[in-house]
Amino acid sequence: EDQVTQSPEALRLQEGESSSLNCSYTVSGLRGLFWYRQDPGKGPEFLFTLYSAGEEKEKERLKATLTKKESFLHITAPKPEDSATYLCAVQAGANNLFFGTGTRLTVIP
Amino acid sequence: GAGVSQSPSNKVTEKGKDVELRCDPISGHTALYWYRQRLGQGLEFLIYFQGNSAPDKSGLPSDRFSAERTGESVSTLTIQRTQQEDSAVYLCASSLAGRHTDTQYFGPGTRLTVL
Repeated sequence: EDQVTQSPEALRLQEGESSSLNCSYTVSGLRGLFWYRQDPGKGPEFLFTLYSAGEEKEKERLKATLTKKESFLHITAPKPEDSATYLCAVQAGANNLFFGTGTRLTVIP
Repeated sequence: GAGVSQSPSNKVTEKGKDVELRCDPISGHTALYWYRQRLGQGLEFLIYFQGNSAPDKSGLPSDRFSAERTGESVSTLTIQRTQQEDSAVYLCASSLAGRHTDTQYFGPGTRLTVL
């Protein structure tokens, strides 16, 4: 059975304090791993797609990496506006995405 | 261009009533998805449309849930005889062609509260 586990559930960082969010997955035939950002009361906003182990993608202060069993979302020198819930999702055999429960990030000024 | 839109943004209903939720995908996107997000839980897949047909309905939780899509555009999710456990945010997403390389773009969701 497909499984996506995100950790930690919640993370509080001081502004400028770098850290990483983890997404571990167990799926048959990974076709893609997706990171989304979700602000309260809004729909998920697409950040990255990773397709194969060793792949990395960057956008501003965010960098996503992928191995055969997990993905990391690295946040470098975060700012308060980076506060949000970060969702990881995988696409395996079906067309739909299978989501983890997210990591709620709070960046304190 | 315009993103995915959903209406209403909020819906409060009484137990046992029927509700209809609407999704307008990004223009030109042939694939459309419905997900449900319960408080404190991850998004759950409900149904996938390719054009006007639904090749995957495996996520619909019961026969009270149904969805249709017309004109390869607007989709409606209908919940009959609503129950309190149906309370959730219902999210719609669309992608260009439904390929695994196509990004799914989400709407803002409809928050459904069943009293």
